[in-house]
Amino acid sequence: IAGITQAPTSQILAAGRRMTLRCTQDMRHNAMYWYRQDLGLGLRLIHYSNTAGTTGKGEVPDGYSVSRANTDDFPLTLASAVPSQTSVYFCASSDSASGSGTDTQYFGPGTRLTVL
Amino acid sequence: GQNIDQPTEMTATEGAIVQINCTYQTSGFNGLFWYQQHAGEAPTFLSYNVLDGLEEKGRFSSFLSRSKGYSYLLLKELQMKDSASYLCAVTDSNYQLIWGAGTKLIIKP
Repeated sequence: IAGITQAPTSQILAAGRRMTLRCTQDMRHNAMYWYRQDLGLGLRLIHYSNTAGTTGKGEVPDGYSVSRANTDDFPLTLASAVPSQTSVYFCASSDSASGSGTDTQYFGPGTRLTVL
Repeated sequence: GQNIDQPTEMTATEGAIVQINCTYQTSGFNGLFWYQQHAGEAPTFLSYNVLDGLEEKGRFSSFLSRSKGYSYLLLKELQMKDSASYLCAVTDSNYQLIWGAGTKLIIKP
């Protein structure tokens, strides 16, 4: 693989179900991010990780959790999905020792999630 | 609050020049990015400005005025493949990226 991969590509989920979106990068980037993108709104940061073993909350963290057990993987979990979590989810990474927002972010292809 | 404003949609003609503006009000400033996003695809990096002035990269140029909280992306010799959304994003004082909603650019033959 090269760059960032996300799985699944798309998913339809019943409300109340648990779901994990997967994200893997092979660029050895320190920082990783999860965004959601909704029509008419900018990308909104859900959670981020500046380095393996650490995570932080973004602008819209409620209802989501993340973990960063190693450099390459950054899964996003919806513990109990609700319809308002219907969105396109993008994972991104950047080569930043400090996790500063001044570094170019590279995005995965996205996961289109529909919660019914 | 923090805010980034871009026009929602613009239309231009193939071969022409178009300027996409972005104004921002953020808590601090540590750089401004432009990304391109084709429909159904991921955003991809176009440019980064941290100092005032014009940065040129092929057919694309990006300008920044920090005192005015203003940037623009200039696209020359437009091609049909330039039809996409263009996202402006600003790094604030906490080094978090604040994203605009994007400008959808439609290129007509």
